[in-house]
Amino acid sequence: AQKVTQAQTEISVVEKEDVTLDCVYETRDTTYYLFWYKQPPSGELVFLIRRNSFDEQNEISGRYSWNFQKSTSSFNFTITASQVVDSAVYFCALSEYNTDKLIFGTGTRLQVFP
Amino acid sequence: GAGVSQTPSNKVTEKGKYVELRCDPISGHTALYWYRQSLGQGPEFLIYFQGTGAADDSGLPNDRFFAVRPEGSVSTLKIQRTERGDSAVYLCASSPGTGRNNEQFFGPGTRLTVL
Repeated sequence: AQKVTQAQTEISVVEKEDVTLDCVYETRDTTYYLFWYKQPPSGELVFLIRRNSFDEQNEISGRYSWNFQKSTSSFNFTITASQVVDSAVYFCALSEYNTDKLIFGTGTRLQVFP
Repeated sequence: GAGVSQTPSNKVTEKGKYVELRCDPISGHTALYWYRQSLGQGPEFLIYFQGTGAADDSGLPNDRFFAVRPEGSVSTLKIQRTERGDSAVYLCASSPGTGRNNEQFFGPGTRLTVL
């Protein structure tokens, strides 16, 4: 069965600290996609990244980076030099090859204090 | 261009009433998805359409929930005989396609409150 676990329910940091949000997934498929979304206080989910299961290269986009490790079924997200505007709930999600529905984790609330 | 839009943004209804929630996807997106998000939880899948047909409706909780997309664009989620437990934010998303083109873009949601 598919499942996404985000064990950290809430993280608080001070601006400029680095922070890593953990995501562990379960699937029996060999082809699947992993996603991260940001949900700011306004409520609208914002797409951040999608990775497919055959591409384990880490990705960096500005202050954001993602570490995909198939061996540990993890897809962790790091924000470098966090800013107050990064405060939001972050969701990790999984979709399997034969279906495009997203299975979401329960989210990690990140609070960045000035 | 315009993103996914949903109307109404808020809907308050009484237990037992019928409601319709509307979603306008991004122009040209062939796939459309409905999710439900309860407070403090991640979104839960309800149904998705590829074109006009429901490709997967396995997330609909029971037969009080129904969704249509008659012309392959706008979709309506219909809930009959609403119950208090239906209160949630209903999210719609669209994507350019499926498989490798399955990046889903979400609308702002409709907050449904059943009194």
